[in-house]
Amino acid sequence: AQKVTQAQTEISVVEKEDVTLDCVYETRDTTYYLFWYKQPPSGELVFLIRRNSFDEQNEISGRYSWNFQKSTSSFNFTITASQVVDSAVYFCALSVPGTASKLTFGTGTRLQVTL
Amino acid sequence: EAQVTQNPRYLITVTGKKLTVTCSQNMNHEYMSWYRQDPGLGLRQIYYSMNVEVTDKGDVPEGYKVSRKEKRNFPLILESPSPNQTSLYFCASSRLSVGSATDQPQHFGDGTRLSIL
Repeated sequence: AQKVTQAQTEISVVEKEDVTLDCVYETRDTTYYLFWYKQPPSGELVFLIRRNSFDEQNEISGRYSWNFQKSTSSFNFTITASQVVDSAVYFCALSVPGTASKLTFGTGTRLQVTL
Repeated sequence: EAQVTQNPRYLITVTGKKLTVTCSQNMNHEYMSWYRQDPGLGLRQIYYSMNVEVTDKGDVPEGYKVSRKEKRNFPLILESPSPNQTSLYFCASSRLSVGSATDQPQHFGDGTRLSIL
């Protein structure tokens, strides 16, 4: 069975601080896919990134960066110079072949960025 | 604009009164799915569909039905809603690649908040 753990329930930072959201996953499959989604206060789910298990390159997109480490089964998400608009709940998710594309979600981390 | 549309966005109803939440996508995606989101539990899959007339149970299917008569639509039916089905519901869709949507990002609707009294 697959499992995703986001141990940080809630994080509060002041604008312009850097913040890292942790994600630890469990799977016995050697092929798997990891995702991050953002849920702003308006409630919709916004896709941020996908990473497959064969690609351990870190990725940077503007102020966002992701660190994928298979050795520690982690796929952490860092926001540099956070802004108030980054306030949201962030979900990490895992998908493996043979499970009909089901996304296994973590419980989410609520990020509050204040002025 | 590519989107997944759910209706209604909000609904308050009473126990036992049948309801349907509609979901429609305009991206010609083969794969569609329903999730419910509950505090402290994240999102859990209710049902999914790999194509027209092909549906199957997810992790929490009890009390729900779905149908996939057309590629674009995937309604969620609660025949006899109960208070424990009060939740935030999301419909999602994605392409299938090589028979699987595992690696494809799922596009989510804006959510439907159901309150069952």
